[in-house]
Amino acid sequence: GDSVTQMEGPVTLSEEAFLTINCTYTATGYPSLFWYVQYPGEGLQLLLKATKADDKGSNKGFEATYRKETTSFHLEKGSVQVSDSAVYFCALCLKAAGNKLTFGGGTRVLVKP
Amino acid sequence: DVKVTQSSRYLVKRTGEKVFLECVQDMDHENMFWYRQDPGLGLRLIYFSYDVKMKEKGDIPEGYSVSREKKERFSLILESASTNQTSMYLCASRAQGGYAEAFFGQGTRLTVV
Repeated sequence: GDSVTQMEGPVTLSEEAFLTINCTYTATGYPSLFWYVQYPGEGLQLLLKATKADDKGSNKGFEATYRKETTSFHLEKGSVQVSDSAVYFCALCLKAAGNKLTFGGGTRVLVKP
Repeated sequence: DVKVTQSSRYLVKRTGEKVFLECVQDMDHENMFWYRQDPGLGLRLIYFSYDVKMKEKGDIPEGYSVSREKKERFSLILESASTNQTSMYLCASRAQGGYAEAFFGQGTRLTVV
């Protein structure tokens, strides 16, 4: 079945450091790909998305590129802030699968001042 | 501002009780979802609905049922609560189409004692 694998956390880094969170997927077909973020005490909210191969999604300084050849959608940010501390979820959606979102396990990121 | 509202933030129930978790969205979305979130396991889909009175099992439907009598409301029912159903429950809604963003409620933390 369809699945998403993300690197396990927690990831702890200092302010202004470079952040990468790896995400790979398995899907029968060509999914849309998403990154969601969950700040402490809140529900999930969309961070960015990409709908076809080689698309780059970006928002709030975060970027991710849809790589069909490596079935990956890694999240990157060049200079993190304390306010980026959150749990990050990679997800895919296949129209053939009823438009449901399949999520990875989540990666907790802690940014220290 | 778009909204998905879950009826309770925190709930404590006894083993064997019938539990209702309510979710309402104001965006006229066709699709609604119930997930549970557990540490290390990410988000797992319990049930989803793509139209009024329609429902589909997700990955972990055992011990749960759902009801969707009106487009804006999607209820999750624990027929006989058990301690292994202690978890964070997240409701989401999204429009049709694989590219559409999902909007999440703030979650209900359910404790079964």
